[in-house]
Amino acid sequence: KAGVTQTPRYLIKTRGQQVTLSCSPISGHRSVSWYQQTPGQGLQFLFEYFSETQRNKGNFPGRFSGRQFSNSRSEMNVSTLELGDSALYLCASSPQTRRGYEQYFGPGTRLTVT
Amino acid sequence: GIQVEQSPPDLILQEGANSTLRCNFSDSVNNLQWFHQNPWGQLINLFYIPSGTKQNGRLSATTVATERYSLLYISSSQTTDSGVYFCAVSGYALNFGKGTSLLVTP
Repeated sequence: KAGVTQTPRYLIKTRGQQVTLSCSPISGHRSVSWYQQTPGQGLQFLFEYFSETQRNKGNFPGRFSGRQFSNSRSEMNVSTLELGDSALYLCASSPQTRRGYEQYFGPGTRLTVT
Repeated sequence: GIQVEQSPPDLILQEGANSTLRCNFSDSVNNLQWFHQNPWGQLINLFYIPSGTKQNGRLSATTVATERYSLLYISSSQTTDSGVYFCAVSGYALNFGKGTSLLVTP
């Protein structure tokens, strides 16, 4: 099976702009989660989508949003970018949304905000 | 949320040495995973191990859920083992530790 894919892999944006990142889960997986990794805060949970519905959300401002399509692909959007949004954004997929399922990560999108 | 502590934070080994990485967590969990983050940032699944012991080649892991800790063993380390090792537990989402940064020197 193909793994989790994320596009684009690298992105440079200017403060105040918005950005959309894409994630395609492993075939058959219906849950997609997003995480942000920064040197200062480590790996932090953003949100999880399952069957096109947001199931859980981490402690991030409303500028961070996402959605999931009927084919389980997911996008996350960050509006009004700030310098502190520079990070590696990782997407993970798992077969179900309930606890206890192994998660598999994509290669990540490295976002730089200047 | 569930607190995850990893130790040691940094580790330097010579090729061929063995090591043990530890992960302590603050509550009962349904899922515990060990990952290796490669230099390009991707998290590689090593073990899914909410309890018990598993082995995969030179790596093995043990989770004692009742005592809320997990151990990752690396034997006969190689330079390609270098990188950051993360333990993560769930929660409605994975809660990650701060990782152990491993450097294996020739």
